[in-house]
Formats: sequence, C-alpha cells, structure tokens
Amino acid sequence: QKEVEQNSGPLSVPEGAIASLNCTYSDRVSQSFFWYRQYSGKSPELIMSIYSNGDKEDGRFTAQLNKASQYVSLLIRDSQPSDSATYLCAVLSGSTGFQKLVFGTGTRLLVSP
Amino acid sequence: EPEVTQTPSHQVTQMGQEVILRCVPISNHLYFYWYRQILGQKVEFLVSFYNNEISEKSEIFDDQFSVERPDGSNFTLKIRSTKLEDSAMYFCASSQGSNQPQHFGDGTRLSIL
Repeated sequence: QKEVEQNSGPLSVPEGAIASLNCTYSDRVSQSFFWYRQYSGKSPELIMSIYSNGDKEDGRFTAQLNKASQYVSLLIRDSQPSDSATYLCAVLSGSTGFQKLVFGTGTRLLVSP
Repeated sequence: EPEVTQTPSHQVTQMGQEVILRCVPISNHLYFYWYRQILGQKVEFLVSFYNNEISEKSEIFDDQFSVERPDGSNFTLKIRSTKLEDSAMYFCASSQGSNQPQHFGDGTRLSIL
C-alpha cells in the first residue's frame, strides 16, 4: 500500500511568518508530486507541482523535493490569514500511463493576524 | 480559466436507491478521475478513465459503481444501490496527461439516509 504521510497539525504561525509543511512518501518510483490547498467543505485546489529534485518557486510558495529521502515540502512566505486551510500533499502512484493521486491526510495551517 | 464542473452540489438519496453524479471535465483534458472524501478523512482514489475505458480502479470501486462518458463532454459516476457508508464528498478531476496536474471540481456532497 503506497502511503503519503503528513503531520495533521494544526500548524500555527503569525501573519507575515514563513509556514513550512512537510510530507514523506513510500513509493520510490513516484515522479510527480503536488500540493493542494483545501478550505473546509471545499474541493482541493492545486497550488504547486514538482517533478525534479530541488526547489520550485511560484510567488509566495516554494516546493522542495528530495527523491533520495522521499520527502516533499512546501514553504509559504509572508503567510496571510487567508492562507489558513488544510494543505494536502499528493503523489502520483501507479504504473506508467495509468496513475492515480495518493493523498496525505493534510496539514491544517492556522495563520493568526 | 477553464474548470471542472459537477452537478448536483448536494444529493440526498434513500439507501438502496441508484444515484448518478455528473461531471463536465475541462474540454482539452483526456484523463478523467473520481475521488471521494468521507467527512474528516483523506481524499481517496476511486477510478481513472481514459480513451473511453477504465484505466485503473481502487478496491472501493466495486460492482455497485460504474462510470460512463455518454457524450463528448459529460463524465458520470453511477452508484447502483447506495449504502449508508457511501455518504461522502465525491470529486471529479481531469488532467491533460497521465502525469499532469489533476484539476478538481467543486464536488457533490452525497448523503444517504
């Protein structure tokens, strides 16, 4: 069973701080990794995708991937109260051509004004 | 920006009844998916669909479930004889390629009485 592990939180940070969210995965052959944001009662919203080792930046968000350690992280700079949500780490798993997203349980982020 | 649309937003059904959940994927996407999320739990993969056939399905997707693309735009999930434990949010997603980001619809909240 392929697993994706996240700390459920809540992770509490003050407004303007950096929030750091972490994720580990078990499927060594996975090549595609995603971060989704989910507000309560809403659907997952894609924030970032990352496919290669290293950092990928998009605005206030930076995704980091280390395949050797099977570790993915998301940094949110200048955190805003509107960033308060559950952040889902998702890993594409399965045979080539027919893949599915395996989600972690999500980390709840609370940004206080 | 193109989006995945799902109808209805909320479906209430008596146990044992059939239910059909509808989705219109993003128009140039080729891969379609259904996921579900039981309240308070992680997002779980149900089925993926490509080239008019199921490409992968999970253990959850038993004989009570079926999917269909009846025309060039709609993608449906049918549950033949609903059970109480089918109560969940059902999300449709689509992607351009098998390893490309999956974009989710707003979901259908299914309540089985």
